[in-house]
Amino acid sequence: AQSVAQPEDQVNVAEGNPLTVKCTYSVSGNPYLFWYVQYPNRGLQFLLKYITGDNLVKGSYGFEAEFNKSQTSFHLKKPSALVSDSALYFCAVSPNTGGFKTIFGAGTRLFVKA
Amino acid sequence: NAGVTQTPKFRVLKTGQSMTLLCAQDMNHEYMYWYRQDPGMGLRLIHYSVGEGTTAKGEVPDGYNVSRLKKQNFLLGLESAAPSQTSVYFCASKSGANVLTFGAGSRLTVL
Repeated sequence: AQSVAQPEDQVNVAEGNPLTVKCTYSVSGNPYLFWYVQYPNRGLQFLLKYITGDNLVKGSYGFEAEFNKSQTSFHLKKPSALVSDSALYFCAVSPNTGGFKTIFGAGTRLFVKA
Repeated sequence: NAGVTQTPKFRVLKTGQSMTLLCAQDMNHEYMYWYRQDPGMGLRLIHYSVGEGTTAKGEVPDGYNVSRLKKQNFLLGLESAAPSQTSVYFCASKSGANVLTFGAGSRLTVL
């Protein structure tokens, strides 16, 4: 079965420190990979995506993600966290066969302390 | 740019009542989706549509119906609401670049 795993319910980091939010997936082929962010009482917003090419993808608000095919991982990173980065982060995968559906992980809550 | 608009934003129903959630997008996207979000479970796909006049079941379709009579609108119906359908519902449409644009959500409580 196709799935996306975000092993941490919550990640805590101090402002100014680097952050990592982990994601692994189990989808056949070469899927498209995404990160979305959700702020309180809002819908999800697109952060970045990987389709092919360079394993390090840069996105909005200074976030980047590293794709590792052998480990089927797509971890979200930021060199220096801001308090305003505190939100719920979702990893998502879209199989590249047909592309109708997007499978989401359960989400990781990021808390950045001042 | 309105993007994806959902109405209503909040609704309280009694068990057995019916209601319809409306989703409208102004981006001319072919694909539209209804998800539900529950704590600790991420987003689960209820139904989706790959174009006007088409609908298909997602991961958790039971108790819901949908219609896509016009390309810009995707309606989600609950014929007989149950407490298990208390959730936050999100509509989304997908661009040609495979990116989803979400509405702000509709919070439904079934008593």
